[in-house]
Amino acid sequence: GNSVTQMEGPVTLSEEAFLTINCTYTATGYPSLFWYVQYPGEGLQLLLKATKADDKGSNKGFEATYRKETTSFHLEKGSVQVSDSAVYFCALISGGYNKLIFGAGTRLAVHP
Amino acid sequence: DARVTQTPRHKVTEMGQEVTMRCQPILGHNTVFWYRQTMMQGLELLAYFRNRAPLDDSGMPKDRFSAEMPDATLATLKIQPSEPRDSAVYFCASGLSTTSTDTQYFGPGTRLTVL
Repeated sequence: GNSVTQMEGPVTLSEEAFLTINCTYTATGYPSLFWYVQYPGEGLQLLLKATKADDKGSNKGFEATYRKETTSFHLEKGSVQVSDSAVYFCALISGGYNKLIFGAGTRLAVHP
Repeated sequence: DARVTQTPRHKVTEMGQEVTMRCQPILGHNTVFWYRQTMMQGLELLAYFRNRAPLDDSGMPKDRFSAEMPDATLATLKIQPSEPRDSAVYFCASGLSTTSTDTQYFGPGTRLTVL
């Protein structure tokens, strides 16, 4: 079946550090891939997405590239801010059905 | 700024009581999803509606949970009777189902505590 595996958190970084959160997936067919972010006390917000191999999604300084050969969609940011502290979820949709399959989430804490 | 709204934001109830959670999707969206978030299970899809018709509720315990869309502006999730294991945050999301990559917009959630 379809599944998403994320690196376990929490990830603790100092402001302006480089961020990588690993995400790998298992899916039938050609899934679309997503990163959602959840700030404390709020619902999830779409951060970025990629719909086919080699696509790069980007938003607010975050990037992720759809790597079919390694079945990965790692999230990166060159310089994190305290305001980036949140839980990040990798997710996929596979097949003609809008059912999101989420990873377990990775908590990021950024300190000044 | 269009948003998905959910009520109540917090609910504390006793085991055996009925709980109703409400969701107002973004105007014009034709898909509605109900998710449950717990520490142990993460985010799970409970039910999925398109054009008010239920397409998938396989993630929902049928004996106690029910989901409906009485009209295009209201989706409800009901638990009767509630149990302590139902304690979780319940999210509603809405979207436009033109393609499988359409963004789902999440509401702020209802935090349910069953004592």
